[in-house]
Amino acid sequence: GAVVSQHPSWVICKSGTSVKIECRSLDFQATTMFWYRQFPKQSLMLMATSNEGSKATYEQGVEKDKFLINHASLTLSTLTVTSAHPEDSSFYICSAPYYEQYFGPGTRLTVT
Amino acid sequence: GQQLNQSPQSMFIQEGEDVSMNCTSSSIFNTWLWYKQEPGEGPVLLIALYKAGELTSNGRLTAQFGITRKDSFLNISASIPSDVGIYFCAGQINDYKLSFGAGTTVTVRA
Repeated sequence: GAVVSQHPSWVICKSGTSVKIECRSLDFQATTMFWYRQFPKQSLMLMATSNEGSKATYEQGVEKDKFLINHASLTLSTLTVTSAHPEDSSFYICSAPYYEQYFGPGTRLTVT
Repeated sequence: GQQLNQSPQSMFIQEGEDVSMNCTSSSIFNTWLWYKQEPGEGPVLLIALYKAGELTSNGRLTAQFGITRKDSFLNISASIPSDVGIYFCAGQINDYKLSFGAGTTVTVRA
C-alpha cells in the first residue's frame, strides 16, 4: 500500500506558458500533501503544503501566485506552474502521509 | 525546515563492504526517516525510527535513532551493486513536514 503517483513524468513547455502536474494517492486518502522541488545534485526543498478543502500553505520564498496548488479531493493535488520560465526547470516531487511520508516518482519540467 | 548535516557527502563501495552514513541536527526530532533515491525517481522509504535509542533493521539495512534525538545513522551491510543511489535522512517533528539532509551519494568503486 501507500502508493503515490504523479502525472506527467516529464514535460517540456515554452517560456510563458503554464503547466499542471498531478499528484494522486492511489490506495489511501490524504487530507494533506506536500510539494517539493529538487535541483540536480541537491536535496529536496519543501515548496508548499497542500490542504484538502482549504488554501495551500507556502514556504518562505515560494511565490504562491506562480505555483498554484489545488487539493480538490482526498486523493488528488495539483501544482500549476504559471508563466513558466527556464529557471523553473526542475524536478518536482509530491508526497503524502500514510503513517510516514510516501513520495511520488517525480515530474521533470523543462522550460525552453 | 531545519537543515540536517549528513555525512559523508559521497562514498565509493566495493561489493561486500559494510558502509555507514549519519545525520546530525541542532534540533530535536520525533521521527527519523531514511530514504533512497535513484536517478529520475522519487525517494523511497527505507526505514522509519520513532523512539530515541531505537535500532531497526530492514534486510541488510540497519538504522538507529540517537539517544539525544538529534542524530541518526544508517548502515548497509555486505553491499551489492544495486545499493548505488542517493541516501537521504529526514527528520520530522509533529506535522509531517520533513527536513532533509543533503544526501549521501553511493557509487561502486571501479
